[in-house]
Amino acid sequence: DAGITQSPRHKVTETGTPVTLRCHQTENHRYMYWYRQDPGHGLRLIHYSYGVKDTDKGEVSDGYSVSRSKTEDFLLTLESATSSQTSVYFCAIRDLGTYEQYFGPGTRLTVT
Amino acid sequence: GQQLNQSPQSMFIQEGEDVSMNCTSSSIFNTWLWYKQDPGEGPVLLIALYKAGELTSNGRLTAQFGITRKDSFLNISASIPSDVGIYFCAGQFPGAGNMLTFGGGTRLMVKP
Repeated sequence: DAGITQSPRHKVTETGTPVTLRCHQTENHRYMYWYRQDPGHGLRLIHYSYGVKDTDKGEVSDGYSVSRSKTEDFLLTLESATSSQTSVYFCAIRDLGTYEQYFGPGTRLTVT
Repeated sequence: GQQLNQSPQSMFIQEGEDVSMNCTSSSIFNTWLWYKQDPGEGPVLLIALYKAGELTSNGRLTAQFGITRKDSFLNISASIPSDVGIYFCAGQFPGAGNMLTFGGGTRLMVKP
């Protein structure tokens, strides 16, 4: 199994509060991704990183920001959580020279 | 963006049956990946395909990269109860850079 952990695994928060999800890898892979998974929408890319301090937007980036200050950590922040951001969030990693992405176990976020 | 049409959306299996599912697109793809997701977990990579016409096996699973580069097939032989889950195809579209396009998934369930 790829060495990817996500924290927390479950979180319930209130509308308007900030939330930060963490993805940690031990594989030293260059690329890291944040997806959300919702019924009827499959996996949708939020943001990704192609190196330390290098990030780019995905198809559903509004309301989310990311940061990568170290190779092993990729943080996803919801500045002011909304109910529409209730979802399961997955982190994935990819090494240089391949398109194969390996996923973490996910974080279930509920915004009340 | 590019779309992948995955079919069937769901199917029931009986132990011992062979299962087939596919992904199609109106655009060509450079790479096809097949993932399986169990409830409450992240997707797990099953098979990666890199060349048109390529046929690759992983145990009872066999996947093929279509000759036209617009489709891919996944077959499961002699299904067992633990094959139940959601199977996703994903493709890397030329020009999409570091991003994958995901199909909507095929949900495999056990016949009552």
